[in-house]
Amino acid sequence: GENVEQHPSTLSVQEGDSAVIKCTYSDSASNYFPWYKQELGKRPQLIIDIRSNVGEKKDQRIAVTLNKTAKHFSLHITETQPEDSAVYFCAATWMDSSYKLIFGSGTRLLVRP
Amino acid sequence: EAQVTQNPRYLITVTGKKLTVTCSQNMNHEYMSWYRQDPGLGLRQIYYSMNVEVTDKGDVPEGYKVSRKEKRNFPLILESPSPNQTSLYFCASRFGTGVYEQYFGPGTRLTVT
Repeated sequence: GENVEQHPSTLSVQEGDSAVIKCTYSDSASNYFPWYKQELGKRPQLIIDIRSNVGEKKDQRIAVTLNKTAKHFSLHITETQPEDSAVYFCAATWMDSSYKLIFGSGTRLLVRP
Repeated sequence: EAQVTQNPRYLITVTGKKLTVTCSQNMNHEYMSWYRQDPGLGLRQIYYSMNVEVTDKGDVPEGYKVSRKEKRNFPLILESPSPNQTSLYFCASRFGTGVYEQYFGPGTRLTVT
């Protein structure tokens, strides 16, 4: 069935270190994979996305990689800063008649100063 | 400013008392969704709408209703709220069913006692 698995559920890193969050999806037809950041008490906001015809995308300290064969994608944050502390959600499109986004369960990232 | 708005932001109510959470977007988006967010479960779609008068159930529709009489508005109706509907609710919109960024409203924290 439709599913996006996200790991780890919590991640604690030292400021300046890298953080990696991984997701796997079940629909091989999925063609869009956004990542959202949700700060405490705020709405989820898109930080980066990748489409199925691209293997990697980078935006400053944030990068996303996609392996369509293995049906997994990852978020990489380099040189982490305390303001990166938040909950991160991955998502994938479900390519039935709904075209809905299926979200992972979230990763709580804590960057220790 | 392009945005999705929701009201109210916070609501405490009692079991069985009908309530409506409003959602409005000013981006001329066709696709709108309602999600609920619960700890450890990520964002789960309740209902979605692909256009005016076109709505369908998401993953967790029981106990909810929606309507889409105008393109900009997508209210969520709880006819007889129960305590298991205590949650954080987000409205979201995107341009269409294709690969488009999805924007979230600020959220409504609902408590049903």
